[in-house]
Amino acid sequence: QVQLQQSGPGLAKPSQTLSLTCAISGDSVSSNSAAWNWIRQSPSRGLEWLGRTYYRSKWYNDYAVSVQSRITINPDTSKNHFSLQLNSVTPEDTAIYYCLRETGNPSRFDPWGQGTLVTVSS
Amino acid sequence: QAVLTQPSSLSASPGASASLTCTLHSGFNVGTYRIYWYQQKPESPPQFLLGYKSDSDKYQGSGVPSRFSGSKDASANAGILLISGLQSEDEADYYCLIWHSSAWVFGGGTKLTVL
Repeated sequence: QVQLQQSGPGLAKPSQTLSLTCAISGDSVSSNSAAWNWIRQSPSRGLEWLGRTYYRSKWYNDYAVSVQSRITINPDTSKNHFSLQLNSVTPEDTAIYYCLRETGNPSRFDPWGQGTLVTVSS
Repeated sequence: QAVLTQPSSLSASPGASASLTCTLHSGFNVGTYRIYWYQQKPESPPQFLLGYKSDSDKYQGSGVPSRFSGSKDASANAGILLISGLQSEDEADYYCLIWHSSAWVFGGGTKLTVL
């Protein structure tokens, strides 16, 4: 059974960097049949896909246009996890952040991490 | 205009059917997209229900009852999630999702009330 465990601070200051990690058990971040995504949810923005990383003989990333200038998603094969960094945050980045696996053909998101509420405030 | 538009709320009675719509921006053709549906209950992440592109290209999430089904209304340029035999446990938020221009795009969600 695949499980995702999120970690990272629940508070970030404006203009600083939001950093979260998602530890994978039961699968590999280097899997050729999965992609590893970050999504966030807030009352004002609803569910918003942020981006993903995946391995298909080499590493690829896709990012949402809305955050592509500020986001980095990195795999760490030694720790079998992947991370999210979002730079220059503002209060509008306050949300519950989820990591999740995208798998199957056709795709589905399963499982999801437990979610991390990140508040951007001074 | 958003890529995907969902009504913000819908109410229906137990035992009845509910049709949740997901309307695609007029610049895009719903026929070319596979539409995914997710259910979210309070304090939990969304859970996959089903994916639908056509009657020959559809699939149900593991353990999802057959009373949840997908379809499309080409004339309305919309995907539809039909829930038949509504139960109180179906009260939740429902989101549609597509892969569009190299990104996953969610609809704004519909809050379904069963009363």
